[in-house]
Amino acid sequence: EPEVTQTPSHQVTQMGQEVILRCVPISNHLYFYWYRQILGQKVEFLVSFYNNEISEKSEIFDDQFSVERPDGSNFTLKIRSTKLEDSAMYFCASSGGAGGRGETQYFGPGTRLLVL
Amino acid sequence: KNQVEQSPQSLIILEGKNCTLQCNYTVSPFSNLRWYKQDTGRGPVSLTIMTFSENTKSNGRYTATLDADTKQSSLHITASQLSDSASYICVVSGSNDYKLSFGAGTTVTVRA
Repeated sequence: EPEVTQTPSHQVTQMGQEVILRCVPISNHLYFYWYRQILGQKVEFLVSFYNNEISEKSEIFDDQFSVERPDGSNFTLKIRSTKLEDSAMYFCASSGGAGGRGETQYFGPGTRLLVL
Repeated sequence: KNQVEQSPQSLIILEGKNCTLQCNYTVSPFSNLRWYKQDTGRGPVSLTIMTFSENTKSNGRYTATLDADTKQSSLHITASQLSDSASYICVVSGSNDYKLSFGAGTTVTVRA
C-alpha cells in the first residue's frame, strides 16, 4: 500500500540554524500539507500546498517557514532560523483527487525536531 | 475561533469491552468530520470521514456517529483489543478551507 514517507525521523539542531524536513507524498496525490505537534499538545495545521503554491497557511506559518516542491516527488518544509519553541513532531500529509477538501489525508510517520 | 473539544481526556477499559468517545465542535461552515487513530510517536491514521449528510459510518469495530445539528460526534469501539490502545483524535474540516482543526484526543488504554 502506498504511504507518505518523511526524512529524517529525528533531527537535532542548534537554535538559529536552518533545517529542512523532507517528505515524499503518495505519488498520485495533488494536495500536500504540513502539521506540527508539540509534545503533549494537539496537532496543529501549518500549511497546505496545491498546484505549486500555498493554498492556505496558519498563523504559525510565519516568514521563518517556507515550503517547496523542488521536483516531482519531494515536498519540503524549511525553517530558516530555528527557535526553541519549534521543537515538535512535524507531520507531512497528502491527499489525492480534485476534491481535496473532502478527501482523506494520509499522514507520514513524522520528523521529531529538537532545537537546543 | 474554530474549536474541537473531546471527552474524556483518557480512559482505561478491559479487553473485550466497549467504549464511546465524544467530540463537540464549533467549526462553521462545516464540511466533514474525521476520526483518526494515533499510536504513540506515529502519524495519525484515518478511521472514518463523514459529511454533514451522514449520520453514521463504520470501519470494522469502529463506528462513528454525527449529529450536524448539535455539532456532536461519537466514536464507538466494540469488543476492544489491546491494539486499540492509542489516542483517538476528532478532526473537523470547514467548507471554506483545506485546513483541519484537531481535537486534543482521547487516550484509550486497553488492559488484558
